[in-house]
Amino acid sequence: GENVEQHPSTLSVQEGDSAVIKCTYSDSASNYFPWYKQELGKGPQLIIDIRSNVGEKKDQRIAVTLNKTAKHFSLHITETQPEDSAVYFCAVTGGTGFQKLVFGTGTRLLVSP
Amino acid sequence: GAVVSQHPSWVICKSGTSVKIECRSLDFQATTMFWYRQFPKQSLMLMATSNEGSKATYEQGVEKDKFLINHASLTLSTLTVTSAHPEDSSFYICSASRSGRYTGELFFGEGSRLTVL
Repeated sequence: GENVEQHPSTLSVQEGDSAVIKCTYSDSASNYFPWYKQELGKGPQLIIDIRSNVGEKKDQRIAVTLNKTAKHFSLHITETQPEDSAVYFCAVTGGTGFQKLVFGTGTRLLVSP
Repeated sequence: GAVVSQHPSWVICKSGTSVKIECRSLDFQATTMFWYRQFPKQSLMLMATSNEGSKATYEQGVEKDKFLINHASLTLSTLTVTSAHPEDSSFYICSASRSGRYTGELFFGEGSRLTVL
């Protein structure tokens, strides 16, 4: 089955800095790559996603890049703010696991003022 | 937007009792819903896929007689933890996809925290 690795597990940055989180996956048939933000005690919230026919997608301060050849994709947050502090999960679906999301292990991002 | 609501948001029960958690899609119809379990500081683990009008498909290692799933309508799926024990204490989260429109995008509920004493 699909295997998703996520790094780093924790990331501390100063307000205004950029943060990058990377995920690698194993199933080359996977075709949908969402990123979720989870605040304490809440469910995951989709913040950005990308499909296999696109290499990069941007939404204000958030961007995602996808390298299908290398089977990895990354979340980029620029001009970080304290309210960006949360746990971020990457996920992968498609291919042999129709609609079944396989989650990464999560990255705890802490943005210090 | 697409809203998924879970109820209750938290529940405390005694060991041996059963607990039901509801997952509702408020403004869209969901043919398929998914149930996840999340332990503290860990990722979401898929427990089962719930399809409206049919039996749920459970992931390997998940006891179907322990975690009963019913998806009786296009807007409601329920998870019943039967004869709960302390090790069942966890954060349970559901997600749903829109009927007839596969985009891969899933909408998540706010989660239900179960504590078994």
